[in-house]
Amino acid sequence: QKEVEQDPGPLSVPEGAIVSLNCTYSNSAFQYFMWYRQYSRKGPELLMYTYSSGNKEDGRFTAQVDKSSKYISLFIRDSQPSDSATYLCAMSAGEYGNKLVFGAGTILRVKS
Amino acid sequence: GAVVSQHPSRVICKSGTSVKIECRSLDFQATTMFWYRQFPKQSLMLMATSNEGSKATYEQGVEKDKFLINHASLTLSTLTVTSAHPEDSSFYICSSGGLRDTQYFGPGTRLTVL
Repeated sequence: QKEVEQDPGPLSVPEGAIVSLNCTYSNSAFQYFMWYRQYSRKGPELLMYTYSSGNKEDGRFTAQVDKSSKYISLFIRDSQPSDSATYLCAMSAGEYGNKLVFGAGTILRVKS
Repeated sequence: GAVVSQHPSRVICKSGTSVKIECRSLDFQATTMFWYRQFPKQSLMLMATSNEGSKATYEQGVEKDKFLINHASLTLSTLTVTSAHPEDSSFYICSSGGLRDTQYFGPGTRLTVL
């Protein structure tokens, strides 16, 4: 079993839809949770960063962490064609310089 | 967040040659930087952790004599692929360790070995 599980998709939605992306993990030591967006042939871009359980909102993006279920989500409201990319979840146990453990990445396609 | 640059963005070389890729943290002094490799339609694979002023820490299965890492300053880490072969063709991405385990990635270097 992988430490972090993420459905690779692809996930296709119409423009304006609410998108839900999810990851599950097995290591209860993980404390820091991140979502990255990666366009084709580009480096990943940090979208959201959360610590411990709860919700965090930034514009059209909401990150949700449920540590009791070992489950994290990224919601995208009013999805746009420009949101089409690969979304990677990542997490770590803390302390500067710690390695991140990445999910496989979910390919999202938003159709206009 | 931190700004990370990589150079070159793309390189094509002949089999058997060595290629150096530079990773610079432009606005953050990074004692730790990371090097990843990414094959098409796959996630990031961590190759090594680069530590300023000390030896890099390599992941299992990564040949340290083939992938030489130097982190001589707080803003620069280099990855040298020695005696490159076609199977080394990949997308190489570095990242700068930020606060609380966030990492900021460079734009990547596409290596093609003929």
